[in-house]
This record gives sequence, structure tokens and C-alpha cells, in this order.
Amino acid sequence: EPEVTQTPSHQVTQMGQEVILRCVPISNHLYFYWYRQILGQKVEFLVSFYNNEISEKSEIFDDQFSVERPDGSNFTLKIRSTKLEDSAMYFCASSETRLTYEQYFGPGTRLTVT
Amino acid sequence: GENVEQHPSTLSVQEGDSAVIKCTYSDSASNYFPWYKQELGKGPQLIIDIRSNVGEKKDQRIAVTLNKTAKHFSLHITETQPEDSAVYFCAARGRRDDKIIFGKGTRLHILP
Repeated sequence: EPEVTQTPSHQVTQMGQEVILRCVPISNHLYFYWYRQILGQKVEFLVSFYNNEISEKSEIFDDQFSVERPDGSNFTLKIRSTKLEDSAMYFCASSETRLTYEQYFGPGTRLTVT
Repeated sequence: GENVEQHPSTLSVQEGDSAVIKCTYSDSASNYFPWYKQELGKGPQLIIDIRSNVGEKKDQRIAVTLNKTAKHFSLHITETQPEDSAVYFCAARGRRDDKIIFGKGTRLHILP
């Protein structure tokens, strides 16, 4: 069964450093998403991406964040200058189309900022 | 914006018994309500969903109900098994939104 994959599973970085989290969405899916989950809190939407553009973003997704689809298979989330409060699980998700409501999640990347 | 409340936060049931998790949502424009199961070290897995034009949906031992008037929806798991132990999230999505809004999750323990 096709699934969303993410790398790395765990990333440790120092405050102020840039990190790139990588995702490979399900191959025939056209909509991509990033969510995050701070320990003990809700899963929160960050951004959606379609046709090489941001479709929707939350207030969390400020200028420190960017997303990119550098090739036909990868979808990345970049945090330019990490802060302690960026420590969280980051989940990538994909859906077939926007009209297809079902979003399928990857296993997540645990980001630890020290 | 949409807000999803979920309870209980923790639920322990005897193996073979039923488990019920309840959620409420605030935005009457929400029209899609998925349920996700998250096992340790894994991402949320979509297990069942319901749309606002349907009141109930069943898939083997899992069923969801939706009361649009009261803005309530629930997950029912019957004949619980040890592999049902996990964290369950309810969520909601509006017709014009990309984002899914999650509840805080329910940790379900199945007792032997």
C-alpha cells in the first residue's frame, strides 16, 4: 500500500541553525501538507501546497518557514533559524486532490532544538 | 476559526468491551470529520471518516456518528482488542479549507 515517507526520523539542531525536513508524498497525490505536534498538544496545521504554490497557511507559518517541491517526488519544509519552541513532531501529509478530503500522514520527523 | 474538543483524554476498557470517544466542533461550515489512530512512533493513520450529509458510517468494528444540529460526532469501537490500544484523534475540516483541525486526542488502553 502506498504511503508517505519522511526523513530523517529524528533531527537535533542548535538554536539559530537551518533545518530541512523531507517528505515523499504518495506518488499520484497532488496536494501536500505540513502539520506539527508539540509534545502533549494538538496536531496543528502549518501549510498546504498545490501546483508549486502555497494554497493555505496558518499563523504559525511565518517568514522563518518555507516549503518547496524541488523535484517530482520530494516535498520539503525549511526552518531558516530554529528556535527552542520549534521543537516538535513534524508530519507531512498528502491527498489525491483538493476535492478528495482524505489526507494521509507520514510517520513524522522529531525535531529537537537545543 | 474551527475548534474541536475531544473527550475523554484517557480511556481504559476491558478487552471485548466497547469504547466510545466523543468530539464537538464549533464551525457549522465544517463538513468532513476524519478519525485518526496514532500508534507509538508512527504518524496519524486515517481509520474512518464521515461527511456532513451522512449521520452514521460503519466499518467492521468501528462506527462513527454525526449530529450536525448539536455539532457532535463520536467514534465507537466494539469488541475491543489489544491492538486497538493507541491514541485516537478526531478532526474536522471546512468545505473551503485545506487544513484539518484536530482534537487533543484520546489515549485508549485495552485491558487484558
